[in-house]
Amino acid sequence: EVLLVESGGGLVQPGGSLRLSCVASGFTFSSRWMSWVRQPPGKGLEWVANIKQDGSEDYYVDSVKGRFTISRDNAKNALYLQMNSLRAEDTAVYYCARDSDGYDYWGQGTLVTVSS
Amino acid sequence: EVVMTQSPATLSVSPGERVTLSCRASQSVRSKLAWYQQKPGQAPRLLIYGASTRATGIPARFSGSGSGTEFTLTISSLQSEDFAVYYCQQYNHWKTFGQGTKLEIK
Repeated sequence: EVLLVESGGGLVQPGGSLRLSCVASGFTFSSRWMSWVRQPPGKGLEWVANIKQDGSEDYYVDSVKGRFTISRDNAKNALYLQMNSLRAEDTAVYYCARDSDGYDYWGQGTLVTVSS
Repeated sequence: EVVMTQSPATLSVSPGERVTLSCRASQSVRSKLAWYQQKPGQAPRLLIYGASTRATGIPARFSGSGSGTEFTLTISSLQSEDFAVYYCQQYNHWKTFGQGTKLEIK
């Protein structure tokens, strides 16, 4: 069974930092692109970033470029999202998702709240 | 950026009815179009990919069609568990989602 479990969300002040983690199981993690997708409260879905199997390529939505960094540790079956210089508009549930034609598996999400 | 536009924003329907949801892309995305279902407090679930291929375990009452810029998701006979928000997503150029269509009980 494929499982994706996120952690690391919480309340952070504007300008602060947070690191999200996603641990994968049930598939060969090192063979798949992976993504982070977010959803502000009561709003729609937005792709944030994705990363190639070996970590050699990564891509970001314009609104987080230079502030967020996606990374992975294939030995630990783990995906990360380092979020710096956080803004109120980054408040959202953050999901990790397995890239396929679309996203075929999602985690349960972790809530990030940016507020003073 | 490819902008995805879904219509309508909300649809009030009765169980057993047939319903069609629309999704339009601002430029051609070929057949690289997925549909998701999301219920409150849950992660999205992949329903359709490649515009018309049902994902694993998805009931046959869900079907997708279209290519290029115009796409539809049809639910042939609505069940109570189908009332949810539905999103389309293109993955031809990066990945962008539509704003969603909420199916509510009439």
